[in-house]
Amino acid sequence: GAVVSQHPSRVICKSGTSVKIECRSLDFQATTMFWYRQFPKQSLMLMATSNEGSKATYEQGVEKDKFLINHASLTLSTLTVTSAHPEDSSFYICSARSVHSSYNEQFFGPGTRLTVL
Amino acid sequence: DAKTTQPNSMESNEEEPVHLPCNHSTISGTDYIHWYRQLPSQGPEYVIHGLTSNVNNRMASLAIAEDRKSSTLILHRATLRDAAVYYCIQETSGSRLTFGEGTQLTVNP
Repeated sequence: GAVVSQHPSRVICKSGTSVKIECRSLDFQATTMFWYRQFPKQSLMLMATSNEGSKATYEQGVEKDKFLINHASLTLSTLTVTSAHPEDSSFYICSARSVHSSYNEQFFGPGTRLTVL
Repeated sequence: DAKTTQPNSMESNEEEPVHLPCNHSTISGTDYIHWYRQLPSQGPEYVIHGLTSNVNNRMASLAIAEDRKSSTLILHRATLRDAAVYYCIQETSGSRLTFGEGTQLTVNP
């Protein structure tokens, strides 16, 4: 099956710093990548949809200047949490949709645990 | 956003079949039903998807009601490794997947 990786798997940072999370499709090209956030004991919440070469579409309530998304190639999307604060601590998960997919099958990464001190 | 309704939790015994129900009463004619599952601190894993007909794969079967307002995920023989949160997802506009609360499946040895 298709594999999606995320880096780093875990990051701890100080309040006010920025953190970049990478999402890569390892064995397929992804037209679209999605970013989710998951708080403890809660479900996944879609943050934004990113298409290669164009600006990301953010869900209502998600600050685009705080969560910068770049999708520069068909295999890489990055999420940068700018000026992180403790309330941004969460599990961030990306998913990717293959260019060859005839339906909306999404392959999920293993997630990145962000802790802001 | 289209939301599905699932029981919060279900319990099963190892080696027995499990039927996980889902209601998706607002589904439209072209929306797929997706099932994913998630283990703690991991990303969701694809289980199965369907549109109108019942579907089978190596992991599970998906039975979709004739009116498409509900579906049931069937694990034929539950194992301890099947313990997870199972999400039934109705695809929304722009190919977005809106996750509900899911069903926490506990499998007893």
